[in-house]
Amino acid sequence: NAGVTQTPKFQVLKTGQSMTLQCAQDMNHEYMSWYRQDPGMGLRLIHYSVGAGITDQGEVPNGYNVSRSTTEDFPLRLLSAAPSQTSVYFCASSRAGLYEQYFGPGTRLTVT
Amino acid sequence: DAKTTQPTSMDCAEGRAANLPCNHSTISGNEYVYWYRQIHSQGPQYIIHGLKNNETNEMASLIITEDRKSSTLILPHATLRDTAVYYCIVRVADTGNQFYFGTGTSLTVIP
Repeated sequence: NAGVTQTPKFQVLKTGQSMTLQCAQDMNHEYMSWYRQDPGMGLRLIHYSVGAGITDQGEVPNGYNVSRSTTEDFPLRLLSAAPSQTSVYFCASSRAGLYEQYFGPGTRLTVT
Repeated sequence: DAKTTQPTSMDCAEGRAANLPCNHSTISGNEYVYWYRQIHSQGPQYIIHGLKNNETNEMASLIITEDRKSSTLILPHATLRDTAVYYCIVRVADTGNQFYFGTGTSLTVIP
């Protein structure tokens, strides 16, 4: 199993550009989530999904869209990038229920 | 989810037990305590979780007080590779993947 994979590893955007961060898992997990981590801070939940076709907002959803058309993939879209979205983005997945989350290696995004 | 309070940083001598405390005084009856750690800039790694009984696995032990208002994560024999930020999270049972991380405790294991 590859586990949770994220692409790209690094990205630089100009203000106003849009892009999609990719996340995929091959463990057939029902639950998937996106977090962002700013320097010196803990992780903050952006959006999450409990299954294909079902998504919901976390604590910092503004400026981001998600969709979950398959169990495996959970892309995160930045609609119009802003410098405040400079961060490290982590994707995670888990089985439904009280199971541990598995995290991807992260995408380091810089918006200039 | 209940808020957790952890010390900002701790040191521990290599080979000794590392005891990391967490306060969650507003925890509800159906909320579980989870511990994760994050080594350098990697994605967080699950360690252990529990409801009210003490738990042990190959990585650590989790001690939850009887009133459930606090807990302690114990790494029995800390190594240099255990240097990381440790997060204590309280989560309502089966509310999807909603984990709310605080700022955690930065543990430094000293040779």
